[in-house]
Amino acid sequence: DIQMTQSPSSLSASVGDRVTITCRASQSISSHLNWYQQKPGRAPQVLIYSASSLQSGVPSRFSGSGSGTDFILTISSLQPEDFATYYCQQSYSIPYTFGQGTNLEIK
Amino acid sequence: QVQLVQSGSELKKPGASVRVSCKASGYTFTNYAMTWVRQAPGQGLEWMGWINTNTGNPTYAQGFTGRFVFSLDTSVSTAHLQISSLKAEDTAVYYCARVVATTLFHWFDPWGQGTLVTVSS
Repeated sequence: DIQMTQSPSSLSASVGDRVTITCRASQSISSHLNWYQQKPGRAPQVLIYSASSLQSGVPSRFSGSGSGTDFILTISSLQPEDFATYYCQQSYSIPYTFGQGTNLEIK
Repeated sequence: QVQLVQSGSELKKPGASVRVSCKASGYTFTNYAMTWVRQAPGQGLEWMGWINTNTGNPTYAQGFTGRFVFSLDTSVSTAHLQISSLKAEDTAVYYCARVVATTLFHWFDPWGQGTLVTVSS
C-alpha cells in the first residue's frame, strides 16, 4: 500500500496568512493526488484534484502543486472559513489511501 | 444539483448487523462508481472500497473483507453498505461519495452527509 504522510499534523495561523501543507507519498504517484477539506461535523469536500486542478466553486486562494512523491497545498490568504482539517489522498493505486490530516487552527 | 443523502444514525448492539443507505440524485447513477469511507471518532479518513454501479462489482480494501458488503438498488439510485457481526471498533461515521473519473484521474465528489453507526451494549 502507498503511505501518505502530511506535515505538519497541526498548524496555527492567522487570518490573512499564507499557509502551506505538505503531503509525501511513499512511492511515486505521478499527479494522482487530491486534497479535501473537512470542517467539524461535516463531510469532506474536494478542493484540488490531479495535484493542481481547482475544483469548480473552490476559491482561487487555494492551489496545489507537485508530482511524483511531494505535493503542496497552499492557501494564499487565510479566511475565517478556512479553519478546518485538510487531507491529501492518492488515487494512483488501490487502496486509495489518505494522509493523516492537518488540523488548521486559528492563532 | 448532484446530491448524496445517507440514512440516519444507528445504535446497535455487538453482534448485530446494520445497513447504511446512500441515495443519489441529480445525475445518472450508473455512470459513476460509488465509494465508501470510514471515519472513527476523532480519527482520519479510511478508504473502504468501491462498487461499480454498472456491473455491481465491488472492490474492498484490506480490513473490509468478510463482514462488509457493498450493494446497489439501481431502480432507486441507491447504494448500500451492510456490516454484519458488529464490533465496538466499528463505531464510526460512514460516508459514501461519488467517484468522478477522467481518462487518467479520479476523485470523490460529492460526499454524503455521513451516517454515524454506534456499537454499544
